[in-house]
Amino acid sequence: AQKITQTQPGMFVQEKEAVTLDCTYDTSDPSYGLFWYKQPSSGEMIFLIYQGSYDQQNATEGRYSLNFQKARKSANLVISASQLGDSAMYFCAMRSLNRDDKIIFGKGTRLHILP
Amino acid sequence: GAVVSQHPSRVICKSGTSVKIECRSLDFQATTMFWYRQFPKKSLMLMATSNEGSKATYEQGVEKDKFLINHASLTLSTLTVTSAHPEDSSFYICSARDPYTGAYFGPGTRLTVT
Repeated sequence: AQKITQTQPGMFVQEKEAVTLDCTYDTSDPSYGLFWYKQPSSGEMIFLIYQGSYDQQNATEGRYSLNFQKARKSANLVISASQLGDSAMYFCAMRSLNRDDKIIFGKGTRLHILP
Repeated sequence: GAVVSQHPSRVICKSGTSVKIECRSLDFQATTMFWYRQFPKKSLMLMATSNEGSKATYEQGVEKDKFLINHASLTLSTLTVTSAHPEDSSFYICSARDPYTGAYFGPGTRLTVT
């Protein structure tokens, strides 16, 4: 069965420091996509970054990078130079590219950036 | 970029009544839309997959007779919570499939059943 695990329910990080949010996944599909979403207090889901299972290089989008370790089945999100506006809930998600396209989510990590 | 809207953003209803939530893709055609439910401080739970012109596919444990989904056009999917009860109070989010970002999400609907 497909599963996403985020082991950090909450994190406190000092502003301007880098932060790593952990995500491990389990799937038997050879082809899949991994995503990170940010959910501020408003509830909207904001797409941050995507990594395909066959991508050779780790994905980067501005201050966001995805540390993809396929053998370990981990897809950690790294936020560099954290800002107060980064305080939010972060969800790791996976989508099988061979099946029905539905996305499953981890339980999320609540990130608090301290001034 | 593509936008998905939801209406209403907040709704309060009395126990026993039905509530309809609309999800629209504003500038693209979405053959597949997904409905999620989010409990406080918890992850998004996929409720069902909505396919245009066909019956929705419900996840295990989701009552299809209680959560009616209709995907009548390529830009509109609706979720109707029938005979709502306080335990149905939640945050409901829809999304439309995209091959690259995974999904475009709507802003969500906060349902409160009194």
